[in-house]
Amino acid sequence: EVKLLESGGGLVQPGGSLRLSCAASGFTFADFYMSWIRQSPGKAPEWLSFIRNKANSYTTEYNPSVKGRFTISRDDTQNVLYLQMNTLRAEDTAIYYCAKHPLDAWGQGASVTVSS
Amino acid sequence: DVVMTQTPVSLSVAIGQPASISCKSSQSLVGTSGKTYLNWLLQRPGQSPKRLIYLVSKLDSGIPDRFSGSGSETDFTLKISRVEADDLGVYYCLQGTHFPYTFGAGTKLELK
Repeated sequence: EVKLLESGGGLVQPGGSLRLSCAASGFTFADFYMSWIRQSPGKAPEWLSFIRNKANSYTTEYNPSVKGRFTISRDDTQNVLYLQMNTLRAEDTAIYYCAKHPLDAWGQGASVTVSS
Repeated sequence: DVVMTQTPVSLSVAIGQPASISCKSSQSLVGTSGKTYLNWLLQRPGQSPKRLIYLVSKLDSGIPDRFSGSGSETDFTLKISRVEADDLGVYYCLQGTHFPYTFGAGTKLELK
């Protein structure tokens, strides 16, 4: 069974940073592309970023809404996906999900609140 | 960005009755591979979204055949032949052809 477990969420002040982690199990993590998606309260999900596998040089894609502030990475030795979030704004407040590509399995989400 | 327009915003359906949701994209979702990366997801209350259908009409494992997807290019439809209580929640279409991937605003399916 595919399992994805996000962690690292919490309350952060505007301008601050946070790193989310996603621990994966139940599939060969290194073989798959992975994504981060977020969902603000009462809104539709918003796709943020995507990282390919080693065979595809770990190349990345970003939504322009977060490009330059957020960085996706992965550790295939530990089966963990990361999202480094910098210069956080109030509008980044959301539940952050990791998902196995092609978005066929999602984690339960990590809550991020940006507020002073 | 590709805009995904879903209608209706909400749908009130009696158990056992059919339901239909439309999703229109602002540009063709046919990719360079010739495949159309249009997905349907369901988010039940308090849960993460779950993919039901991919590549327009292919059902994910464990999804009952009461669900069906159809369409092409820019015009897509999700149909439920007989709604059950477990089908309640918010349905989203999602395009995975063009970066950034984009979701529709959602259709809330409620019981009549």
